Amino acid sequence: SQTIHQWPATLVQPVGSPLSLECTVEGTSNPNLYWYRQAAGRGLQLLFYSVGIGQISSEVPQNLSASRPQDRQFILSSKKLLLSDSGFYLCAWSQTGSGPVGELFFGEGSRLTVL
Amino acid sequence: AQKVTQAQTEISVVEKEDVTLDCVYETRDTTYYLFWYKQPPSGELVFLIRRNSFDEQNEISGRYSWNFQKSTSSFNFTITASQVVDSAVYFCALSDDYGGSQGNLIFGKGTKLSVKP
Repeated sequence: SQTIHQWPATLVQPVGSPLSLECTVEGTSNPNLYWYRQAAGRGLQLLFYSVGIGQISSEVPQNLSASRPQDRQFILSSKKLLLSDSGFYLCAWSQTGSGPVGELFFGEGSRLTVL
Repeated sequence: AQKVTQAQTEISVVEKEDVTLDCVYETRDTTYYLFWYKQPPSGELVFLIRRNSFDEQNEISGRYSWNFQKSTSSFNFTITASQVVDSAVYFCALSDDYGGSQGNLIFGKGTKLSVKP
């Protein structure tokens, strides 16, 4: 069966510090991978998605970046965090293939607080 | 522009009551998909249902049912005989992307449901 894990679960970082959130998927190959952010009182916002190794698409301009160094690994990074980066970050995967899927499988989430 | 509105921010019911979560969407596309996801206190989102724009049949799955009405652009979710375990934040979402970014769902802001014993 497929599993998805992301870490760390909780992170408190000062403004200006770097960030690295990791996500790995097991039990499937060549998944589509996504990073979402859930800010307080707001819905989920897609930040990045990837359809393959080294292929990253950004949905919103920001000081965050994403990388996919391996087929089932997705990393969210920042060189200098802002207060506005605080939120709940969710990694997700979906099956590849043509047509809309929409059935995303989410990780447990990483709660980031920037002070 | 695509948009999903969940007007109910929070709902509180007593166990065994029925509850309906409202979802209204906007899209210019004729082909689109609608979804409901559940986010329990643990945080991860759980997929509940997907509906395409050509299928307006209502669906029932146990205590859950969904009412899709294109005429009013609504996709409401009803829980019958609610239970404490139903307490969660529920998100309605829309996808009008065919291929490409298949996870580019447009989410509503969610409705927090609290079911009290």
